[in-house]
Amino acid sequence: DTEVTQTPKHLVMGMTNKKSLKCEQHMGHRAMYWYKQKAKKPPELMFVYSYEKLSINESVPSRFSPECPNSSLLNLHLHALQPEDSALYLCASSHQTGAGNTEAFFGQGTRLTVV
Amino acid sequence: AQSVTQLDSQVPVFEEAPVELRCNYSSSVSVYLFWYVQYPNQGLQLLLKYLSGSTLVESINGFEAEFNKSQTSFHLRKPSVHISDTAEYFCAVSDRDYGQNFVFGPGTRLSVLP
Repeated sequence: DTEVTQTPKHLVMGMTNKKSLKCEQHMGHRAMYWYKQKAKKPPELMFVYSYEKLSINESVPSRFSPECPNSSLLNLHLHALQPEDSALYLCASSHQTGAGNTEAFFGQGTRLTVV
Repeated sequence: AQSVTQLDSQVPVFEEAPVELRCNYSSSVSVYLFWYVQYPNQGLQLLLKYLSGSTLVESINGFEAEFNKSQTSFHLRKPSVHISDTAEYFCAVSDRDYGQNFVFGPGTRLSVLP
């Protein structure tokens, strides 16, 4: 199973709403990532979790709150978002070796629209 | 820190013609190299990876890429493209020793014309 599953696939939310994006993998990967992708742009890193601990936060606004409940799950909690936060949110996971990480496997993404 | 350059933002090519998508990277450390493909409204799919060993790597659908350390390049090639190859292609690097991040190039839009 080389699949990363993201739910929901589409989400429309108001600026006062609270919602969560979910990501799940069963490949035994200990590194998990959230990326944000705007149209016609490459993915931009938001957060990295390594062994369930937050290891990288790329200066993401606090209205985005990540959570890693266990080694298979990754959540992204959303609150008070702005219209410019509308984007494709991608989750990924990778095998973490003693050295660097090998390839990342990506989910299909959640298309988020903030109205 | 690493960075990735993809010089061509768009590459139009006729069906069954060969194509090369260029990727150059900058890094002060050893890296792993990847090519990902993204179809509309989908996530990224790994196409090729270079971790170690042979500098020429191949995919199951006819793409190949060659790691050239002296030129810091990892160009993607296919001898004969199909309409179904139309997609966005991203080159990415990861620090080989301590990397916890994948740095992506800006992407190349490959359009295969009938």
